[in-house]
Amino acid sequence: DAGVIQSPRHEVTEMGQEVTLRCKPISGHDYLFWYRQTMMRGLELLIYFNNNVPIDDSGMPEDRFSAKMPNASFSTLKIQPSEPRDSAVYFCASSLGGGYGQTQYFGPGTRLLVL
Amino acid sequence: GENVEQHPSTLSVQEGDSAVIKCTYSDSASNYFPWYKQELGKGPQLIIDIRSNVGEKKDQRIAVTLNKTAKHFSLHITETQPEDSAVYFCAASMDTGRRALTFGSGTRLQVQP
Repeated sequence: DAGVIQSPRHEVTEMGQEVTLRCKPISGHDYLFWYRQTMMRGLELLIYFNNNVPIDDSGMPEDRFSAKMPNASFSTLKIQPSEPRDSAVYFCASSLGGGYGQTQYFGPGTRLLVL
Repeated sequence: GENVEQHPSTLSVQEGDSAVIKCTYSDSASNYFPWYKQELGKGPQLIIDIRSNVGEKKDQRIAVTLNKTAKHFSLHITETQPEDSAVYFCAASMDTGRRALTFGSGTRLQVQP
């Protein structure tokens, strides 16, 4: 298996622009997680899905952030409008089963810089 | 919700020495504790995990210990090698309610050759 695939790997945009991050989970996995990593806040869970349904979005920072999972093989995280404080590395991870006892497989991340 | 604290934030050891990273958690309902290793430019990768019914688990040079009474768990790396240099994250989750992982803040381990 190719593992979790994320695109783009790097994104540079200007404040106010819309940013869309994409993720393809490992085939057969039923959980998908979006994380944000910064020096100040570490690795934060933003939202996770089970069988394409959002289960917990309490980590989504504000209404500018939205995530969708239209099918089992694709998810997007959208930021509109983007702000400089959104600059971070965004990771997607997938697992077979939820967080308890199940290995989460992380993608390589998308490094976002908002100018 | 769960809160996981991790210490130290940075750790430098000589090749061949041992390294110990410690974590504490707040929710006594947590019962699964994985450790992830993140190399530069990559996503975190699971290296070892432990469940609450086990006090210690070993995998070659890596071991994890758990003290449920004190709500802390530790990662031990023996005979460290330069390729062990990375950022290590502890995490906690439970098998009921919110099942997602809560991560610690990370420890940057540097193994000096």
